[in-house]
Amino acid sequence: DSGVTQTPKHLITATGQRVTLRCSPRSGDLSVYWYQQSLDQGLQFLIQYYNGEERAKGNILERFSAQQFPDLHSELNLSSLELGDSALYFCASSVGWRGGGTDTQYFGPGTRLTVL
Amino acid sequence: GQNIDQPTEMTATEGAIVQINCTYQTSGFNGLFWYQQHAGEAPTFLSYNVLDGLEEKGRFSSFLSRSKGYSYLLLKELQMKDSASYLCAVSLQFSGGYNKLIFGAGTRLAVHP
Repeated sequence: DSGVTQTPKHLITATGQRVTLRCSPRSGDLSVYWYQQSLDQGLQFLIQYYNGEERAKGNILERFSAQQFPDLHSELNLSSLELGDSALYFCASSVGWRGGGTDTQYFGPGTRLTVL
Repeated sequence: GQNIDQPTEMTATEGAIVQINCTYQTSGFNGLFWYQQHAGEAPTFLSYNVLDGLEEKGRFSSFLSRSKGYSYLLLKELQMKDSASYLCAVSLQFSGGYNKLIFGAGTRLAVHP
């Protein structure tokens, strides 16, 4: 158990809908990262937050957005869902964000999203 | 651009040794991670290398050569539970000091009795 929690574990919805995925980082971690993993594909970095502020963006679609709240939990919002959005969505957390001693990222159990 | 290559699949026998290679072409290199991921589960941290050389941790060792853009993960005394995907991830540093992890597609290892 990494200490990172994600809810829900599974989510089934229809095309065009909107969903929210939730993540709580490990105690003491200030950074939260979101990743997408489609079937037989590698982990794709979506976005990073540090202490409530967006720090880095990856291949995140405009239909997707995220935020990190004052209690450091984060939410990933996916809207206008398409069949191709079906994937495992992982959240990871780390202590900080600066280099010179890269922070190890610890992953949550993931949310499996199925869009029908 | 950033590119990370690893073999797609490997097979090995229980009790044997297997080496999983990873080559990368990136800019702003700031270290390399190996993660293990069982099907449908979260990636779990195995090792981190930022300097050239070998890091040993129990049955697992990881090697890095920055000049060659090359790393490998060595698994000894293979057990059936080692059947999993192994993800090579390069940490890249960007202006402003923040880091981003870029993952390879992963190597699916099957351990047979």
